[in-house]
Amino acid sequence: DQQVKQNSPSLSVQEGRISILNCDYTNSMFDYFLWYKKYPAEGPTFLISISSIKDKNEDGRFTVFLNKSAKHLSLHIVPSQPGDSAVYFCAVRGGADGLTFGKGTHLIIQP
Amino acid sequence: GAVVSQHPSWVICKSGTSVKIECRSLDFQATTMFWYRQFPKQSLMLMATSNEGSKATYEQGVEKDKFLINHASLTLSTLTVTSAHPEDSSFYICSADPDGGLNNSPLHFGNGTRLTVT
Repeated sequence: DQQVKQNSPSLSVQEGRISILNCDYTNSMFDYFLWYKKYPAEGPTFLISISSIKDKNEDGRFTVFLNKSAKHLSLHIVPSQPGDSAVYFCAVRGGADGLTFGKGTHLIIQP
Repeated sequence: GAVVSQHPSWVICKSGTSVKIECRSLDFQATTMFWYRQFPKQSLMLMATSNEGSKATYEQGVEKDKFLINHASLTLSTLTVTSAHPEDSSFYICSADPDGGLNNSPLHFGNGTRLTVT
């Protein structure tokens, strides 16, 4: 049973517009949430994270929102750039355990 | 900072042979490293947690005798795929936490190893 769900396998957004990637999780005990960006044949690169005590964290063009009651988080990228085209993974972490990943969303930025 | 180096980046081996993959933390010490596996267009699945100076902890369904993990120092963990078969062909990625899991902190990943077993 998937603990982390990314229901959109792919997303196409026009350059300059906002990209919104969504993620749902099942276990309310998770207390740390992360987004990673991944290119083919490379390891994931950490983008941004948020702890359960916050509902928003912003870093430049990237903002992560956390809705604990809905067990939902989202990543907003604005403005979207061609270099943002990649697969984005949502991940959760409980304590010192390893990360549990969603299946990823392939973001395609159209010029 | 927080660089994780993985070697080799790709390897082709014959069925029945063993392959060793190295994971190094270059600018920090890691008492714990994590090994993941990714099949094409799939998620990254945690295989095992590598603990410096003690036995690795394997996830359910991962054969510990097939995927041997050694974490002999605070900067090096190795994964050995023993008696490899074509179904072991996959992308293997290691990661480490510079903060040692003490605080909410991200894991940093190596660049992965593409294993192809013929």
